[in-house]
Amino acid sequence: NAGVTQTPKFQVLKTGQSMTLQCAQDMNHEYMSWYRQDPGMGLRLIHYSVGAGITDQGEVPNGYNVSRSTTEDFPLRLLSAAPSQTSVYFCASSRAESTDTQYFGPGTRLTVL
Amino acid sequence: GQQVMQIPQYQHVQEGEDFTTYCNSSTTLSNIQWYKQRPGGHPVFLIQLVKSGEVKKQKRLTFQFGEAKKNSSLHITATQTTDVGTYFCAGRTQGGSEKLVFGKGTKLTVNP
Repeated sequence: NAGVTQTPKFQVLKTGQSMTLQCAQDMNHEYMSWYRQDPGMGLRLIHYSVGAGITDQGEVPNGYNVSRSTTEDFPLRLLSAAPSQTSVYFCASSRAESTDTQYFGPGTRLTVL
Repeated sequence: GQQVMQIPQYQHVQEGEDFTTYCNSSTTLSNIQWYKQRPGGHPVFLIQLVKSGEVKKQKRLTFQFGEAKKNSSLHITATQTTDVGTYFCAGRTQGGSEKLVFGKGTKLTVNP
């Protein structure tokens, strides 16, 4: 199993551009989530999904959209990138939402100029 | 909303010294998880505690969950350079949503 994969690993955007961060898992996990990590701020939840077709907002959802059309994929869309969205983005998955281990992807380092 | 506070934010120790990081929640937690993130890496699951007063050990690491299920600690005995990284706790509120809330982490550096 590849586990949780994320693409791209690095990305530079200009303010106002849009892009999609890809996340996929091959463990048949129901629960998937997106976090951003900024220095001194820890991991903050952006959006999460408890199964295909179901998504919900986390702590910092503004400026981001998600969809979950399949169990495997959970893309994160930046609609109009802003410098405040410069961060490292991690996708994670787990079997169930309540008690299971979170498996994190390798992360995407995004810079918005 | 639910908050998980973690202290200290940074800890620098000499190799061989002990290290402890503390995690406190404003609400009762159904479980608490601990993760380690090496520099430049991604968080990796270490352990989960579920029961009130639970204590678990992994070699030199000791994890505790408080009796009230509002606090937790991770203690490392005789640190080694391989322990370097940021340690995060994460918890879910009892009877609450599916969201997992992370503490801000404790960054550990070890001087050889």
